[in-house]
Amino acid sequence: QVQLVQSGSELKKPGASVRVSCKASGYTFTHHFINWLRQAPGQGLEWMGFIDTNIGNPTYAQDFSGRLVFSLDTSVSTAYLQVSSLKTEDSAIYYCARWFHFGSGGYYDYWGQGTLVTVSS
Amino acid sequence: EIVLTQSPGTLSLSPGERATLSCRASQSISSTHLAWYQQKPGQAPRVLIFSASTRAIGIPDRFSGSGSGTDFTLSISRVEPQDSAVYYCQLYRNSPPVTFGGGTKVEIK
Repeated sequence: QVQLVQSGSELKKPGASVRVSCKASGYTFTHHFINWLRQAPGQGLEWMGFIDTNIGNPTYAQDFSGRLVFSLDTSVSTAYLQVSSLKTEDSAIYYCARWFHFGSGGYYDYWGQGTLVTVSS
Repeated sequence: EIVLTQSPGTLSLSPGERATLSCRASQSISSTHLAWYQQKPGQAPRVLIFSASTRAIGIPDRFSGSGSGTDFTLSISRVEPQDSAVYYCQLYRNSPPVTFGGGTKVEIK
């Protein structure tokens, strides 16, 4: 069965960086884009971007001012999210999600369990 | 950028009642690009409906989606206690690729 398993919770100080991993299993990793999304406490879902797992090309949401890096290790079917120059407002649950693409549409069919990142001095 | 506005913010219903959730786009969109998700406390979202009206695998037929243009609706024909959750609509387009509505919280009395 398809699974996305994320790394554990992180506590970071403002200005630091954090890396979150997302290990996929149960399907061919390079056949589906991996998206990254986040959810601040009590808030809605925010799309951060995605990575083409076939060629490794990332696309970032404009709101993050170059603080994001998406990467892959296809040998272990794992995607990584790095966020640098953390601010307290980056405290959130970070999700990876598999994009199921069809024709001109698509949706997220599988999600990781989420990784809580807390930024506090 | 297209904005999705969901209403109401909160819906409080008794078991067996019908729930009607609205998602309005700031400009006309293709129904192919509209999906609905359910998120229960402490869980990741799960897809309910894609292409505005197609139920995802394993989703009960109590859930249905409809709409076109700028107005889309998620309906739950007879709500059950386990339907307590926040429901999000999501748009897929070229730029930016993905946008979510602000969510509707459904409470079951």
